Amino acid sequence: EAQVTQNPRYLITVTGKKLTVTCSQNMNHEYMSWYRQDPGLGLRQIYYSMNVEVTDKGDVPEGYKVSRKEKRNFPLILESPSPNQTSLYFCATRGTGWFMDNQPQHFGDGTRLSIL
Amino acid sequence: TQLLEQSPQFLSIQEGENLTVYCNSSSVFSSLQWYRQEPGEGPVLLVTVVTGGEVKKLKRLTFQFGDARKDSSLHITAAQPGDTGLYLCAGTQGTSYGKLTFGQGTILTVHP
Repeated sequence: EAQVTQNPRYLITVTGKKLTVTCSQNMNHEYMSWYRQDPGLGLRQIYYSMNVEVTDKGDVPEGYKVSRKEKRNFPLILESPSPNQTSLYFCATRGTGWFMDNQPQHFGDGTRLSIL
Repeated sequence: TQLLEQSPQFLSIQEGENLTVYCNSSSVFSSLQWYRQEPGEGPVLLVTVVTGGEVKKLKRLTFQFGDARKDSSLHITAAQPGDTGLYLCAGTQGTSYGKLTFGQGTILTVHP
């Protein structure tokens, strides 16, 4: 079964305490991406990766880091979390066939982060 | 400023009614996708449209991509309570295949 697994699903933490949200996919996809979802704003892309060791900024990369050392994993790192990073985060993956736009994007079930 | 503007943001209707959700931009998109999201879950892809003027149907859902590829619409015929959810449009521009821009979403509630 195609799966995108995020951990943790919920986290409450304090300002400045480094945290990592993991994302793992079993579809052997090259493309992975992170989004945050806030009320009234839809999903906004944070970072994406077209392949191992290749990462690019999305629309809201400030305050976040990512790494792509292997195909299946794409962790999201908050080095010094702040309250404005309280949000619902989604990891996604999709195939990179000859016409990538037509490939369905598979999302994880989300990670709800609260930064106090 | 949102690159993709969805309207309306909220829609509350009775079972059996028809509805249309719009996704508009001043920019050209190479493709547009529509997703549906339920509480506690990630979005699920409904359809991708790539050609200007393209119309796709998925049972009671009809999706249209504008001729100029700047806008799209989702029409639901005879809505049912099971259609309740958050509907999101998302687009890619040019050759930026990795970047996906979402609209704000439309929260649809269909009352029995």
